[in-house]
Amino acid sequence: KNEVEQSPQNLTAQEGEFITINCSYSVGISALHWLQQHPGGGIVSLFMLSSGKKKHGRLIATINIQEKHSSLHITASHPRDSAVYICAIETSGSRLTFGEGTQLTVNP
Amino acid sequence: DGGITQSPKYLFRKEGQNVTLSCEQNLNHDAMYWYRQDPGQGLRLIYYSQIVNDFQKGDIAEGYSVSREKKESFPLTVTSAQKNPTAFYLCASGGFINVLTFGAGSRLTVL
Repeated sequence: KNEVEQSPQNLTAQEGEFITINCSYSVGISALHWLQQHPGGGIVSLFMLSSGKKKHGRLIATINIQEKHSSLHITASHPRDSAVYICAIETSGSRLTFGEGTQLTVNP
Repeated sequence: DGGITQSPKYLFRKEGQNVTLSCEQNLNHDAMYWYRQDPGQGLRLIYYSQIVNDFQKGDIAEGYSVSREKKESFPLTVTSAQKNPTAFYLCASGGFINVLTFGAGSRLTVL
C-alpha cells in the first residue's frame, strides 16, 4: 500500500463546477504539499500545509492531521485548471513521498 | 528572480554512456531532490540532499549518482548501469520551512 493515496485518479468536470480532490496518508508528517503539473511537465507548488486550511484565489486546501487526510478544492472551475494535481507528504529528514496524481479535465 | 534551473531540457544518450543533468538553485534552500517521472506514474525519489556534502539514496537510486559540493548545485549523473534511463527528470528544492520549487525538468532519451 502506498503511503500516499489520492482520489479520484481521473476527474472530468464542467466549467463552473466545484471540485474536490482527496489525499490520504498513513504516516506522521511534518508538512503536506499540493502541486500542479501541466502537460509540458512543469510543476508548481500550490500549497504547503501543516495544519488547518489555506486559500489562494479559487483554490482551498485543508488538512486534518488526526485523520491523516487532506483535500484540495477548486471553486468555479475553469478549463485552464485542467492539469494533474499531486499530493506530497514530507516526513522526517525532509523526505518527500508523492501520490500518483489526479488528472483533472474541465470542459467548457 | 529566484528559482531552479535545470539543463539540458532535452538530452539524447547512446547506450553505455554516462550523462549528467544539471540543477542549480538561487533560493538558498538547504534541501534538494531528484525525481524520475515515467508516463502515467507518480514521481519517484532518486536522491536527496539536506545539506552540503551530504546526500541520501531515495527509492530508485541504482544506476544514478549525485554530488552536493555547493549549496546551489545538485547534479545528477545517469550512469550506464541504469537499465532503463529514458524518463523525465525533475529537480526540486525546499520543503517544510520553504515552499517546494521545481525545475522545468529534463527529458532524457536513450537511443
